[in-house]
Amino acid sequence: KAGVTQTPRYLIKTRGQQVTLSCSPISGHRSVSWYQQTPGQGLQFLFEYFSETQRNKGNFPGRFSGRQFSNSRSEMNVSTLELGDSALYLCASSLGGRNTEAFFGQGTRLTVV
Amino acid sequence: GESVGLHLPTLSVQEGDNSIINCAYSNSASDYFIWYKQESGKGPQFIIDIRSNMDKRQGQRVTVLLNKTVKHLSLQIAATQPGDSAVYFCAEGDTGANNLFFGTGTRLTVIP
Repeated sequence: KAGVTQTPRYLIKTRGQQVTLSCSPISGHRSVSWYQQTPGQGLQFLFEYFSETQRNKGNFPGRFSGRQFSNSRSEMNVSTLELGDSALYLCASSLGGRNTEAFFGQGTRLTVV
Repeated sequence: GESVGLHLPTLSVQEGDNSIINCAYSNSASDYFIWYKQESGKGPQFIIDIRSNMDKRQGQRVTVLLNKTVKHLSLQIAATQPGDSAVYFCAEGDTGANNLFFGTGTRLTVIP
């Protein structure tokens, strides 16, 4: 079956703009988590959605938001982009129960200039 | 807060040798641990996981050891191959919270 799909793969934005990234989880998976990966900070948890509800949230400012649709697809939005938001944004899907084995997509490489 | 760290940022091994990648964690409440492999340009790939009620788990060529007393996790790769070259991340989580905290990663380089 298809894996986790993230679009777009690459994105260039200017400071102050906003951006929306998309993630389609593995079929049947109801949990979608988002992570930011940078060379300096590594992989950091942004938030997790399950059945259209945000279930967990990391320590990121309110400029970072997300949502999940009834088909489990998820989007994350970053408003008022800053240079430091340049990163690889990874989405992971899982069944969402006690089995938290998460499968990652290839990520969206965001560059803010 | 939680922190997950790695003892070594880089590791070089000869092809055919065994590799050991170490990881320390600080959250006693974590009950789920995963090792991921990330190759250049790809997302992290699940390797093996272990729950806190176990201290050892084996997969194909890989073994994860968990020492809860000293909050230490290790990944052993047997007969390391060039295709094993990648960055390896340990992650800890609480199955109740369903989110993971990752270490900074160790870059494994296999020398042919």
